[in-house]
Amino acid sequence: AQTVTQSQPEMSVQEAETVTLSCTYDTSESNYYLFWYKQPPSRQMILVIRQEAYKQQNATENRFSVNFQKAAKSFSLKISDSQLGDTAMYFCAFILQGAQKLVFGQGTRLTINP
Amino acid sequence: DAGITQSPRHKVTETGTPVTLRCHQTENHRYMYWYRQDPGHGLRLIHYSYGVKDTDKGEVSDGYSVSRSKTEDFLLTLESATSSQTSVYFCAISARGGAGYEQYFGPGTRLTVT
Repeated sequence: AQTVTQSQPEMSVQEAETVTLSCTYDTSESNYYLFWYKQPPSRQMILVIRQEAYKQQNATENRFSVNFQKAAKSFSLKISDSQLGDTAMYFCAFILQGAQKLVFGQGTRLTINP
Repeated sequence: DAGITQSPRHKVTETGTPVTLRCHQTENHRYMYWYRQDPGHGLRLIHYSYGVKDTDKGEVSDGYSVSRSKTEDFLLTLESATSSQTSVYFCAISARGGAGYEQYFGPGTRLTVT
């Protein structure tokens, strides 16, 4: 069974700093997709960034980027120039190619302080 | 915004009563999902649908049933609600066919079973 582990339950940084959230996953398959979702206090689940396992290049979306290490089964999220609006729970998620179930980590609560 | 609405947004019900949650989408996506979110567990898949009248179980399907009579609506029913079903329920759609692509979530329904 696939599992996703986020080892940092909570993190806190100052506005404008860079922060990295960790995620590791476990699978014996080769073809899969990885995602980071943001859940602000409004409770809405918002897709932040996605990575296809077959792509070596790390995905980037504006201030958000990932460090995808396939051999190490690691998928960290870097937020540059953090903003107060980045305060949220962040979930790492995994899905096998052809599957239906997104497997989520337990989340990291990120607080951006002014 | 993937055009997903959920109703009701909040509900309090008593143990043993039936409850139906509705998910409505406006963009004609084939795949729809129901997840539940509990502290310490992230999101877990309850059921999913891959077309009208085509549904299948997820990892936590006991005590739940689903129906999809129209492309745009996916209903989740708790036949006899229990306190362990107190949770936040999210509907999701897969925008690109469901085979390993990202999922977009509705705003969630907070259900309390007393």
